[in-house]
Amino acid sequence: GENVEQHPSTLSVQEGDSAVIKCTYSDSASNYFPWYKQELGKRPQLIIDIRSNVGEKKDQRIAVTLNKTAKHFSLHITETQPEDSAVYFCAASSGPSNTGKLIFGQGTTLQVKP
Amino acid sequence: DGGITQSPKYLFRKEGQNVTLSCEQNLNHDAMYWYRQDPGQGLRLIYYSQIVNDFQKGDIAEGYSVSREKKESFPLTVTSAQKNPTAFYLCASSTRDSSYGYTFGSGTRLTVV
Repeated sequence: GENVEQHPSTLSVQEGDSAVIKCTYSDSASNYFPWYKQELGKRPQLIIDIRSNVGEKKDQRIAVTLNKTAKHFSLHITETQPEDSAVYFCAASSGPSNTGKLIFGQGTTLQVKP
Repeated sequence: DGGITQSPKYLFRKEGQNVTLSCEQNLNHDAMYWYRQDPGQGLRLIYYSQIVNDFQKGDIAEGYSVSREKKESFPLTVTSAQKNPTAFYLCASSTRDSSYGYTFGSGTRLTVV
């Protein structure tokens, strides 16, 4: 079935450094790729998303890139701050044959050390 | 509260007891979902529904049941058949094709006592 692989599972960086999280998806019909941030004990919240007709999207310190040929997409956080510490989930829309629901990656725990 | 409300926030269940978690949305979304999250783990899909009076099993449906009698509501019952129900439960909703992502509720933390 459809699958999304996310790496790394944990990531520790110094404040001010960049962080990159990578995902690979299997369904070639996927056309929407959101990223969620979940702080401890809270709900996941959408932080950025990208559609298949775009290769890159940026929002302040956060950017997402998409390579449809390779079925890869990545989250880039620059100038990391302690408040960026959280669990990040990538997701890919599944094709019409699978009802269109999102398929989530396993999550990456990001720790930003002051 | 983001258009989707879960209640209660905390719930305690005795052994052998059924409990029901509430999820209500006012976003006019067709699709609704239930996820289970264990400490330090990802999101595991329990059940989902794309239309009223219809729902599908997810990856870990055993020991759970749902209903979708109204578009706005998608309650989850954790039955006594679920042997390890202690977890954080998240409800979400979306358009039918998820083309704008999911909106999540604030979650219910269920503990067996």
